[in-house]
Amino acid sequence: DAGVTQSPTHLIKTRGQQVTLRCSPKSGHDTVSWYQQALGQGPQFIFQYYEEEERQRGNFPDRFSGHQYPNYSSELNVNALLLGDSALYLCASSPEQGLNTGELFFGEGSRLTVL
Amino acid sequence: GNSVTQMEGPVTLSEEAFLTINCTYTATGYPSLFWYVQYPGEGLQLLLKATKADDKGSNKGFEATYRKETTSFHLEKGSVQVSDSAVYFCALSGVAGGTSYGKLTFGQGTILTVHP
Repeated sequence: DAGVTQSPTHLIKTRGQQVTLRCSPKSGHDTVSWYQQALGQGPQFIFQYYEEEERQRGNFPDRFSGHQYPNYSSELNVNALLLGDSALYLCASSPEQGLNTGELFFGEGSRLTVL
Repeated sequence: GNSVTQMEGPVTLSEEAFLTINCTYTATGYPSLFWYVQYPGEGLQLLLKATKADDKGSNKGFEATYRKETTSFHLEKGSVQVSDSAVYFCALSGVAGGTSYGKLTFGQGTILTVHP
């Protein structure tokens, strides 16, 4: 049973560019959340998708947007990249009823470097 | 808003030493509390959890007790191994119906290195 898979694992962009990160949730999971983890910091919640809609959002600007597909996979898009967007982006999945337990299953992340 | 504060690290121990990593939180109501661990080259994974006051979460020899009166959830292990070397994150999740339900608020993480 595959866990949460993310792609790409590493990428380098320049300021002002746009990036799309992809996530396939663990089998049977219908809720996907995205987190940003800056170097030496804990993950920060970006947003959560359920039934193809953004259900919750953290304190991130509108440059960060997402999408969830009918097969529950998800994308994170970041426009007009800034140097400060350099971070590890983590995707986490859970069954909707699993939110009450708080157990999320994380992918290994996509390391974004903005030059 | 919710917040989690972990003891400043990193922590370096010899094998079989006792481990404590402190964690305190600020939240409204009665959040659920978690410890997640990130081993080198791997994704975050749940280590243990507690969902109400005085609950003790335990796994792989690690323990943490939900202390409402001190708003703490300290992680302990009686005898660490080299294989425990990792980054440990304390986190909380809000209650159902609240604005923070279903999203985790993490501490900054504590790097643990265990030497043979």
